[in-house]
Amino acid sequence: QQQVKQSPQSLIVQKGGISIINCAYENTAFDYFPWYQQFPGKGPALLIAIRPDVSEKKEGRFTISFNKSAKQFSLHIMDSQPGDSATYFCAAAIINTGTASKLTFGTGTRLQVTL
Amino acid sequence: AAGVIQSPRHLIKEKRETATLKCYPIPRHDTVYWYQQGPGQDPQFLISFYEKMQSDKGSIPDRFSAQQFSDYHSELNMSSLELGDSALYFCASSPIKLAGGPNEQFFGPGTRLTVL
Repeated sequence: QQQVKQSPQSLIVQKGGISIINCAYENTAFDYFPWYQQFPGKGPALLIAIRPDVSEKKEGRFTISFNKSAKQFSLHIMDSQPGDSATYFCAAAIINTGTASKLTFGTGTRLQVTL
Repeated sequence: AAGVIQSPRHLIKEKRETATLKCYPIPRHDTVYWYQQGPGQDPQFLISFYEKMQSDKGSIPDRFSAQQFSDYHSELNMSSLELGDSALYFCASSPIKLAGGPNEQFFGPGTRLTVL
């Protein structure tokens, strides 16, 4: 059972366009939602993360939108560039004070930005 | 900036052999996580350690064991290897957490295990 559902599976966007990736979760105990970028053969790299007390967070060209009531969050990549071509994973975790908090990942979106 | 170090980067083993993967977290990170990623799959949580104690356990086979040492590095031991164990194995580390703070996990480059 996939606790974090991610769509689309793949996405092709023209250079300069907006890439939008959506995620939905079931467990209302999740309180930390990061996005990771992964290039082939490399480890996931943290892009941006949000807590449920805010509805939007922006860092450079990357924006997370969060809808707590709908249990959904999305990543927007503005002015998409060919160098953004990678696989993007949303994830969720329950912050445990003083202990480790495992990440539950979505299934990933393969983004291709064309010239 | 220092990153998570994993060794070896590539490992080829035969079925039923044993493998040991090592992870060196970022300095001053006290928490280590292990994830397994199959081809075209999302990373799946295996096990985590906080302050050298096992913190949580995911879908880790009984054939696998892990520990975190006094210098905070961690080792994942895999025995009786099966073809299905072929995957990328990532280690991630987190810094000492303030109360209610975020759970930023920084991933290493991974170890690609191939079981023949």
